[in-house]
Amino acid sequence: DAGVIQSPRHEVTEMGQEVTLRCKPISGHNSLFWYRQTMMRGLELLIYFNNNVPIDDSGMPEDRFSAKMPNASFSTLKIQPSEPRDSAVYFCASSAQGSNYGYTFGSGTRLTVV
Amino acid sequence: RKEVEQDPGPFNVPEGATVAFNCTYSNSASQSFFWYRQDCRKEPKLLMSVYSSGNEDGRFTAQLNRASQYISLLIRDSKLSDSATYLCVVRPPLGNTPLVFGKGTRLSVIA
Repeated sequence: DAGVIQSPRHEVTEMGQEVTLRCKPISGHNSLFWYRQTMMRGLELLIYFNNNVPIDDSGMPEDRFSAKMPNASFSTLKIQPSEPRDSAVYFCASSAQGSNYGYTFGSGTRLTVV
Repeated sequence: RKEVEQDPGPFNVPEGATVAFNCTYSNSASQSFFWYRQDCRKEPKLLMSVYSSGNEDGRFTAQLNRASQYISLLIRDSKLSDSATYLCVVRPPLGNTPLVFGKGTRLSVIA
């Protein structure tokens, strides 16, 4: 099992540019979560999907953030336009819905907006 | 009161020491509980689930106190490789709601 795969691992971009983060969940997992982690705020849930359907996006900071899950094996998180305060590590995680087990996280994307 | 609260540390302990972390949660009807470990610049990884009866995995023991709404993690005979941040994680009671992560407790084991 390849685990949850995220790309890119690192992204440095200029303020105002569009950033797209990608995630491939574990095969058979039907819940997918996008988290953002900073020193100040810890791990924050941005949005999650069950069976490719967005369930709760109340954690998305503002309209500059959007997420899609066009199929069971792929999700994107887009920031447009990016701002320096978006600099953080973005994690994708997946789980089997209804499981009593925890989530499996990807390696994360370290985003720096300059 | 925050949903999940942890002492951020750092806890600096010598090799071989026993160290314990506590975590409190606000919703008394929370369903399930976990400890995750996160190494520097890495993703969180599940360390162990926490069961009502308490559970042990090698040098690690997790306990749940529902009456006082806290979870503990005890590490015996600390190793240098135990140095990491330990995240307390709680599943809220309402259906299939996402896990809530504490901000973590940092542990440094010193030679």
